[in-house]
Amino acid sequence: QSALTQPASLSGSPGQSITISCTGTSSDIGDYNYVSWYQQHPGKAPKLMIYGVSRRPSGISNRFSGSKSGNTASLTISGLQAEDEADYYCNSYSSGSLRWVFGGGTRLTVL
Amino acid sequence: QVQLQESGPGLVKPSETLSLTCTISGGSISTYYWSWIRQPPGKGLEWIGYIYNRGSTNYNPSLKSRVTILVDTSKNQFSLNLRFVTAADTAVYFCASAVAGHSFDDWGQGTLVTVSS
Repeated sequence: QSALTQPASLSGSPGQSITISCTGTSSDIGDYNYVSWYQQHPGKAPKLMIYGVSRRPSGISNRFSGSKSGNTASLTISGLQAEDEADYYCNSYSSGSLRWVFGGGTRLTVL
Repeated sequence: QVQLQESGPGLVKPSETLSLTCTISGGSISTYYWSWIRQPPGKGLEWIGYIYNRGSTNYNPSLKSRVTILVDTSKNQFSLNLRFVTAADTAVYFCASAVAGHSFDDWGQGTLVTVSS
């Protein structure tokens, strides 16, 4: 069982917006602004999409945005494209377990 | 952008030691944070640990008793040793870099290690 809770799957149509939630506790997401999000296509390495809750690395489309409220972080993808179909993982530091913890991953399907 | 490449045996016997090396280019191995992360087949990601500041380490408490991460600055490499492996350690192992230690910025392609006799 993962330390951070994500929906197992989500789907959306091209052009739509979707939001992936990542729920933790006051010892991880609620305690630090170190939430990051990763995109992983099948057979590939994860790719950093968001860091520091809402910051985008250079080269990442502004269709991807992140936010946090209390113990829950969110990744929003606007204007869905076929290439966005992938697994998405959230990550945070946990002072409760003294480690970096990932969510279980969300499989995004673009219909 | 930092480039990373994992190398090492793809098959390890139970109770033996899994040893992997990550070779980096395009970054300073003396100043960044260097992590190992694994992913069992069909499952999610698990942080193993990282090394920084030329030798300081931080390990996942659930693996701490079996893990050692070292850095070789002369070769621009860092390594992972995981002792007393079992089938549960079968996974794709990724190395990753972090400029500030708060996210995993660049990743290697990953290498599958299978634990089996």
